[in-house]
Amino acid sequence: ETGVTQTPRHLVMGMTNKKSLKCEQHLGHNAMYWYKQSAKKPLELMFVYSLEERVENNSVPSRFSPECPNSSHLFLHLHTLQPEDSALYLCASSQARLASSYNEQFFGPGTRLTVL
Amino acid sequence: AQKVTQAQTEISVVEKEDVTLDCVYETRDTTYYLFWYKQPPSGELVFLIRRNSFDEQNEISGRYSWNFQKSTSSFNFTITASQVVDSAVYFCALSAGSSNTGKLIFGQGTTLQVKP
Repeated sequence: ETGVTQTPRHLVMGMTNKKSLKCEQHLGHNAMYWYKQSAKKPLELMFVYSLEERVENNSVPSRFSPECPNSSHLFLHLHTLQPEDSALYLCASSQARLASSYNEQFFGPGTRLTVL
Repeated sequence: AQKVTQAQTEISVVEKEDVTLDCVYETRDTTYYLFWYKQPPSGELVFLIRRNSFDEQNEISGRYSWNFQKSTSSFNFTITASQVVDSAVYFCALSAGSSNTGKLIFGQGTTLQVKP
């Protein structure tokens, strides 16, 4: 595998379900990000992890819970979601001593989430 | 406040035409970085270019060129002799501040359709 991979690519879940999105980067980067891309909004940053420590939490509802067990893996745990949470969830990684403004981010293909 | 505006929502051209995608940004920081990403139908964002605020040289890469003008806070992207494979959504993004955690502020995106 190369680059940034995400699984699953598509997910349909009910509002009472619990599911997890997985992201893995094979680039040796040390910062990882979760973004949400809705149909009528620009990409929104949700979480940033640098050296496995969460450095930014962008006012995301608690029904989204990130986990970064190591610098290569990032999870987004989902529970009791709402239909408006349906979106494309993108993972990205970058190389930086600390997540910083000048390093380009490399994105995965995303998980298309539908909440019924 | 930091903001990126891509005023063109959708552009449609015929193959071999030149097309320019506009990007206007706002930031009070003197150090910042600008990016362009391409999002093909597969979903993942593909990094195209990064420019820093201290380098106003325009850049050309094959059929792609970028015009960075601080005086007008613009970072426009031109595709010369467009091809059908250029059809995608293009995002301009801004990252600013020396203590930035890597947060990218994205524009709304411009959907480019290149017809054969």
